[in-house]
Amino acid sequence: QQQVKQSPQSLIVQKGGISIINCAYENTAFDYFPWYQQFPGKGPALLIAIRPDVSEKKEGRFTISFNKSAKQFSLHIMDSQPGDSATYFCAGSDSGSARQLTFGSGTQLTVLP
Amino acid sequence: DSGVTQTPKHLITATGQRVTLRCSPRSGDLSVYWYQQSLDQGLQFLIQYYNGEERAKGNILERFSAQQFPDLHSELNLSSLELGDSALYFCASRRGDYGYTFGSGTRLTVV
Repeated sequence: QQQVKQSPQSLIVQKGGISIINCAYENTAFDYFPWYQQFPGKGPALLIAIRPDVSEKKEGRFTISFNKSAKQFSLHIMDSQPGDSATYFCAGSDSGSARQLTFGSGTQLTVLP
Repeated sequence: DSGVTQTPKHLITATGQRVTLRCSPRSGDLSVYWYQQSLDQGLQFLIQYYNGEERAKGNILERFSAQQFPDLHSELNLSSLELGDSALYFCASRRGDYGYTFGSGTRLTVV
């Protein structure tokens, strides 16, 4: 199965710092790359997403950087807050009719106050 | 509330038993996806239905099956349960090409 590799597995950041999570994908048919945020006991919620025709997308404190040639993308959380403490998943969705999401293994982010 | 409803929220059952998990997609969404989330496997795609028809299969065991009904709700049936089937099971529905929304999940514990 085509994989999405995510790192680091866990991340501890001080309040106000920058959190960076990286993902690499193999399937060149992916045409949509979302990031999901998941709090304990809740389902994944879409945070931000990017299409491969742009190299960067910014929404508030969250930015996706996308490198198509390297097949890598990353999430940057600026001015990290304790409320950002959650598990983050990257994913890819292929352009076929099913369009199922293939997820990375997740990063548990802890932002210290 | 995401608009995707999953029931029950928690389920505890014994090995060898059979359970049914239910998902109601967002109003108007025709696609339903089932995912399994376990500690060591992350979020794994199980199966997708579109307007009542199976569209794609992922890492779904033969002991598991699903269906989508005319009112678009979906059920995931898990049989001959094993301890390793303990996990969170999520349903998601999709609107258009990219509008995925996940439910809050069903936590299955097999004892």
